[in-house]
Amino acid sequence: EAGVAQSPRYKIIEKRQSVAFWCNPISGHATLYWYQQILGQGPKLLIQFQNNGVVDDSQLPKDRFSAERLKGVDSTLKIQPAKLEDSAVYLCASSLVGVDTDTQYFGPGTRLTVL
Amino acid sequence: QQQVKQSPQSLIVQKGGISIINCAYENTAFDYFPWYQQFPGKGPALLIAIRPDVSEKKEGRFTISFNKSAKQFSLHIMDSQPGDSATYFCAAAQNTGGFKTIFGAGTRLFVKA
Repeated sequence: EAGVAQSPRYKIIEKRQSVAFWCNPISGHATLYWYQQILGQGPKLLIQFQNNGVVDDSQLPKDRFSAERLKGVDSTLKIQPAKLEDSAVYLCASSLVGVDTDTQYFGPGTRLTVL
Repeated sequence: QQQVKQSPQSLIVQKGGISIINCAYENTAFDYFPWYQQFPGKGPALLIAIRPDVSEKKEGRFTISFNKSAKQFSLHIMDSQPGDSATYFCAAAQNTGGFKTIFGAGTRLFVKA
């Protein structure tokens, strides 16, 4: 079974530039998550999709971050314009819709450096 | 109230020893408590998880102990091996029509050979 794919793996940009990350979840997984992981911290949920719909985007800085999930499969996360504090690893995860449990499968992440 | 507090930040254990990582939460609405393991350059991977109606769960060398009244839970790694050296995250999740997961800050474990 193929895992969660993310690209690019690394990205270096100047502040105020824009950047986009792509995620392809595990086939059949209805739920997709984007997390921000700052060095030395745990993952912080940015946005959660179930199929095409947004379940939770309460911690997404909507003035600069946007995300979409097309046809309930692939997703893109965009930052425009980027700030220095956006330097982090952006993790995508997917899971089946569970009732009592939630096993999230993470991709390798995209390491973003904002100079 | 949405925080999950994890300790210690880092841990060094001799090979064969027991590694213990502790977590505490405030929100009693959390109903699922997973532990994730992360190696450098990789995404986290689910290690073991527990629901609050169970006080202990064991899978191989990994055990979760859960104290609902104290709102605390811990991961015990028995017979720790150098290959266990990684960062461990506890988490707490609430199913609100989809699980919303809050992660702890992580514990960096190093097992000395």
